Amino acid sequence: DVKVTQSSRYLVKRTGEKVFLECVQDMDHENMFWYRQDPGLGLRLIYFSYDVKMKEKGDIPEGYSVSREKKERFSLILESASTNQTSMYLCASRGKALSRGAYEQYFGPGTRLTVT
Amino acid sequence: QKEVEQDPGPLSVPEGAIVSLNCTYSNSAFQYFMWYRQYSRKGPELLMYTYSSGNKEDGRFTAQVDKSSKYISLFIRDSQPSDSATYLCAMSAGGTSYGKLTFGQGTILTVHP
Repeated sequence: DVKVTQSSRYLVKRTGEKVFLECVQDMDHENMFWYRQDPGLGLRLIYFSYDVKMKEKGDIPEGYSVSREKKERFSLILESASTNQTSMYLCASRGKALSRGAYEQYFGPGTRLTVT
Repeated sequence: QKEVEQDPGPLSVPEGAIVSLNCTYSNSAFQYFMWYRQYSRKGPELLMYTYSSGNKEDGRFTAQVDKSSKYISLFIRDSQPSDSATYLCAMSAGGTSYGKLTFGQGTILTVHP
């Protein structure tokens, strides 16, 4: 069974703090993704990584950075947390091919981050 | 304009009803269409997948894709309380996109006994 775990289910931080969200997958997947999920906006891609130390910006990278030092671990960093970053953060890894060019993503349970 | 539009609902139906969930999209490059289901306090899980236009059936679930109209649907027959969840459509252009998905806003479905 594929497992994607996230370090915290709930997190409360203060404005201006540096925040680290950790994600680990146990299936040796190459591609990993960070999304945020907000009511009425769905899942929006923040960053993704296609290999160790390789990353690409998604649709909403502003205010975030990422780190991938090991294949199984992908970290999302909020350099200086702001209240508009209060959200649910979901990590995913790209799993098996459904057909040529399409892949299933496996998601972690999410981290509910509140910035006060 | 968002690339993928999905009616967020919420949708509340009685047990046994037929449910129709829909998404429209604007990017002609999308070739792969998926539906994910997300239970409360869980991450999304893949429910169904289709490639290009056509229908696909899996038990009580039917996914339809009409590429000419840029419209996809998920039908749930004989809906059950256990179907209560958020349903997210997702799309991919395939190719060298690294498996990136573009999601709709999600529709919250409640099936009451």
